[in-house]
Amino acid sequence: QQQVKQSPQSLIVQKGGISIINCAYENTAFDYFPWYQQFPGKGPALLIAIRPDVSEKKEGRFTISFNKSAKQFSLHIMDSQPGDSATYFCAASGGTGGFKTIFGAGTRLFVKA
Amino acid sequence: DVKVTQSSRYLVKRTGEKVFLECVQDMDHENMFWYRQDPGLGLRLIYFSYDVKMKEKGDIPEGYSVSREKKERFSLILESASTNQTSMYLCAGQGAYGNTIYFGEGSWLTVV
Repeated sequence: QQQVKQSPQSLIVQKGGISIINCAYENTAFDYFPWYQQFPGKGPALLIAIRPDVSEKKEGRFTISFNKSAKQFSLHIMDSQPGDSATYFCAASGGTGGFKTIFGAGTRLFVKA
Repeated sequence: DVKVTQSSRYLVKRTGEKVFLECVQDMDHENMFWYRQDPGLGLRLIYFSYDVKMKEKGDIPEGYSVSREKKERFSLILESASTNQTSMYLCAGQGAYGNTIYFGEGSWLTVV
């Protein structure tokens, strides 16, 4: 009930392409869905987040698509750049879990120049 | 700028040693967390604290304990380090009413 399943585990994309990472959750009480970006040797940092009252949120080249009925959300990185190469974690929090955040297993993205 | 500082970035300890990982936050955040990060397993919550002297077990508390004597400081303690505790440890802070988690840069622990 508390799991967040993330796929793929790793992803290689050509420069300029679209990177897509998917996540699925089980607990319908979750009400906050962030994505964190982690560069090697650094801690994760918030990239973008969405609440379930909207189906899409865009910030620059990064877009979250949210499907409440399917209990799925995804991160799209448009015009992917080598500097986007990092590990991405989806997460969910809220509801009966309170402030406790559940993270996906992570996706290692490599953007080829 | 928000800051969570983990004082030890790289440590090598022997099996059976007691290990202290220290974390300090300057955000006046109520909530603090210790996560463990392993390849393919993501971020797993070890312990968290929502107030001074308060602590709650996360998903993998076995072999660990924590201490929070001051609001800004949250310590992770490995009572008797074992090789399966070799990992990267991440400390994080979060405001009482906020959702965003702010992570430190991580502490790489190798137990030999």
